[in-house]
Amino acid sequence: NAGVTQTPKFQVLKTGQSMTLQCAQDMNHEYMSWYRQDPGMGLRLIHYSVGAGITDQGEVPNGYNVSRSTTEDFPLRLLSAAPSQTSVYFCASQQGVGYGYTFGSGTRLTVV
Amino acid sequence: KNEVEQSPQNLTAQEGEFITINCSYSVGISALHWLQQHPGGGIVSLFMLSSGKKKHGRLIATINIQEKHSSLHITASHPRDSAVYICAVGRAGTASKLTFGTGTRLQVTL
Repeated sequence: NAGVTQTPKFQVLKTGQSMTLQCAQDMNHEYMSWYRQDPGMGLRLIHYSVGAGITDQGEVPNGYNVSRSTTEDFPLRLLSAAPSQTSVYFCASQQGVGYGYTFGSGTRLTVV
Repeated sequence: KNEVEQSPQNLTAQEGEFITINCSYSVGISALHWLQQHPGGGIVSLFMLSSGKKKHGRLIATINIQEKHSSLHITASHPRDSAVYICAVGRAGTASKLTFGTGTRLQVTL
């Protein structure tokens, strides 16, 4: 089992560019979520999904879009990148409430 | 005030020492998670607790729901335990939404 796979691992964007961070899991987990990690602030929830076709906003959703067309995939879209979106992004999945989380290896994004 | 507070922020220990990391939270929770992150690495789930105590190898996690407090203990610490340990809570009544502490950076020296 691959677990949770995130791509790319590193990315440099120019301000205003768009891109999609990919996240895929092969464990048939219903719940998936995106977090960003910034120095001194801990991880913060961006968006989450409790199943295919269902998404909701987290703590810091502005500037990001998500969709969940399949159970396996949960891409995170940056519509117009800004330097404030420079961060490390983690995707996680969970079988359901009461279960532990499996995290991807992260994507380090720099916006210049 | 953050909803999840960890202490200490930084911790240095010698190999073999007993280590305790504390986590206090101020919201109702469905579960508390302890996570480990090595430098430049991904995040690994160590424990999920909703009551009592769990043990895995040299790691022990406890939670006191009434006091809204959890501790992570490492017995016989080793340099490979050097990492950031993160406490996170799943808030009651929510699904797949974690609130995180800022982490405790542990350095274990020989």
